[in-house]
Amino acid sequence: GAVVSQHPSRVICKSGTSVKIECRSLDFQATTMFWYRQFPKQSLMLMATSNEGSKATYEQGVEKDKFLINHASLTLSTLTVTSAHPEDSSFYICSARDGGTSGFSYEQYFGPGTRLTVT
Amino acid sequence: GQNIDQPTEMTATEGAIVQINCTYQTSGFNGLFWYQQHAGEAPTFLSYNVLDGLEEKGRFSSFLSRSKGYSYLLLKELQMKDSASYLCAVLDSNYQLIWGAGTKLIIKP
Repeated sequence: GAVVSQHPSRVICKSGTSVKIECRSLDFQATTMFWYRQFPKQSLMLMATSNEGSKATYEQGVEKDKFLINHASLTLSTLTVTSAHPEDSSFYICSARDGGTSGFSYEQYFGPGTRLTVT
Repeated sequence: GQNIDQPTEMTATEGAIVQINCTYQTSGFNGLFWYQQHAGEAPTFLSYNVLDGLEEKGRFSSFLSRSKGYSYLLLKELQMKDSASYLCAVLDSNYQLIWGAGTKLIIKP
């Protein structure tokens, strides 16, 4: 149980275009989802926290108009990188927190990640 | 500020034992997680400690001392597949995960 999928796994796009990444909890309801970015040989950097049906909370330094997050249902959150630039190239990982049906609700279950390359 | 420290890199021999330390200073404490992350992949859960003491799970054990702000992950009978980064993360008073930078573990034959 507690599987999180992420799509696409890899994407290459041209500078100036937008890219949407989907994160789905497959067998549980995720009231909270998290979006991370990870540059090579660095640790995870939390970008934003999203709760179903409400606006995402962005970490300091993360542009909310550039990284649009939508958490429209208990099983789906999307991250859209708008007007992507080469410096946005990174590994984007989502995670989801179980809505509390398990006895261990603060564990985060991670998706497999999306490798974004902006040319 | 909030801070989690762990060594950047460690090297160990196949079949041996290695201990990865993590010290933390956070605003509140609601538990400490260890995750394993292979290169190019997402982290996978290893352990969760919220009370002092040692939790053993197969070849992996995790220890916590809340008074010292200290945890370690102990890996026994090391295998080549254990080569990965090991991330320490603390759940703070707001139930947000604060992440360490990770320890890259290199296993040599």
